[in-house]
Amino acid sequence: GAVVSQHPSRVICKSGTSVKIECRSLDFQATTMFWYRQFPKQSLMLMATSNEGSKATYEQGVEKDKFLINHASLTLSTLTVTSAHPEDSSFYICSAKGTSYGYTFGSGTRLTVV
Amino acid sequence: GENVGLHLPTLSVQEGDNSIINCAYSNSASDYFIWYKQESGKGPQFIIDIRSNMDKRQGQRVTVLLNKTVKHLSLQIAATQPGDSAVYFCASYNNNDMRFGAGTRLTVKP
Repeated sequence: GAVVSQHPSRVICKSGTSVKIECRSLDFQATTMFWYRQFPKQSLMLMATSNEGSKATYEQGVEKDKFLINHASLTLSTLTVTSAHPEDSSFYICSAKGTSYGYTFGSGTRLTVV
Repeated sequence: GENVGLHLPTLSVQEGDNSIINCAYSNSASDYFIWYKQESGKGPQFIIDIRSNMDKRQGQRVTVLLNKTVKHLSLQIAATQPGDSAVYFCASYNNNDMRFGAGTRLTVKP
């Protein structure tokens, strides 16, 4: 079946630094990848839709200059949280859509900004 | 949209009982629906899906029912087991746009 690898699973960074999260589709090509944010005991909130070779589409209220998304290939999308602050601490999840596999989620990244 | 950061409702059932988890969606143009299971600290896992031209689909111990008239989706889990304890989300899909429902936390009591 389709597998999406998300890395790292956990990261702690200092306030003001940047953190990059990778999302890879391992056995299929993902024309579209999605980035979600999830706060404790809440649902997943779509942040942006990432299309290979083009700019990401951000949801209303999500700062594109703070959450940089790059989808340079059909198997890799990255989310970079720039100048991270404690309020950016959250669980970030990616999902990838191939042509035959529907949607597959990564295992998530727990970001803690101290 | 369907998810606005709501706190999760909860459902507690006895081991062996059947569970019914409900979800409402808002976009009548949605043509594909998915139920996901999310365990603590992990990403969502696919459980079962259904297309809008169907009203019922069965999997192993799970059944999804779709009522397009009232824009309602349900997930039925038969003979619920402790390993079913998790948060369950429905998602609706339309034109490359997938949105999640608020989710329900299922707790199975031994």
